[in-house]
Amino acid sequence: DAEITQSPRHKITETGRQVTLACHQTWNHNNMFWYRQDLGHGLRLIHYSYGVQDTNKGEVSDGYSVSRSNTEDLPLTLESAASSQTSVYFCASSDRGLGEAFFGQGTRLTVV
Amino acid sequence: AQSVTQPDIHITVSEGASLELRCNYSYGATPYLFWYVQSPGQGLQLLLKYFSGDTLVQGIKGFEAEFKRSQSSFNLRKPSVHWSDAAEYFCAVGGFGTGRRALTFGSGTRLQVQP
Repeated sequence: DAEITQSPRHKITETGRQVTLACHQTWNHNNMFWYRQDLGHGLRLIHYSYGVQDTNKGEVSDGYSVSRSNTEDLPLTLESAASSQTSVYFCASSDRGLGEAFFGQGTRLTVV
Repeated sequence: AQSVTQPDIHITVSEGASLELRCNYSYGATPYLFWYVQSPGQGLQLLLKYFSGDTLVQGIKGFEAEFKRSQSSFNLRKPSVHWSDAAEYFCAVGGFGTGRRALTFGSGTRLQVQP
């Protein structure tokens, strides 16, 4: 079955370190998204991609970057981790046009 | 800019009672609307979606939602709640066109079910 997987599921890192969260989907979807989930804010869009070599900033992109070198993967990099980036991160993908988004299980990141 | 408001942060209902979760959206064109459910420690699962046509849409687990353009609402309903429905529910809006394929989510409503 097609799926979307995130790794790691949990990570603790120190302030100032670079961190990369992985997202891999086997749906062959063109669209991929990164969201962060914080209490009281729901899910907020960080970055998104509509295809290979395409990346776009979302609502809360400061301090984050993504790259899309193939259809399956959209890694999220925190350039210099800050305590404000402690959150649960969700990756999602959807088909060309607008179909529903399929979500990974999330990565809980703690920055100490 | 598109936005979604879920006015109720937390709702408690008794098992077997009916449920309605409210969702209001702001969108500059015909919206595509979704309800997702999130169980603790899990990702989001799609309950139902509205693209066009019949304004009353049926979803999984006995849920339904009604699109009311005049009220900019897309409320989620269930006639009889089960204990397993306890979770967090998110309404989302999106659409076609550049910059509109990413979904915008509301802040969520946490549902608690009393025995």
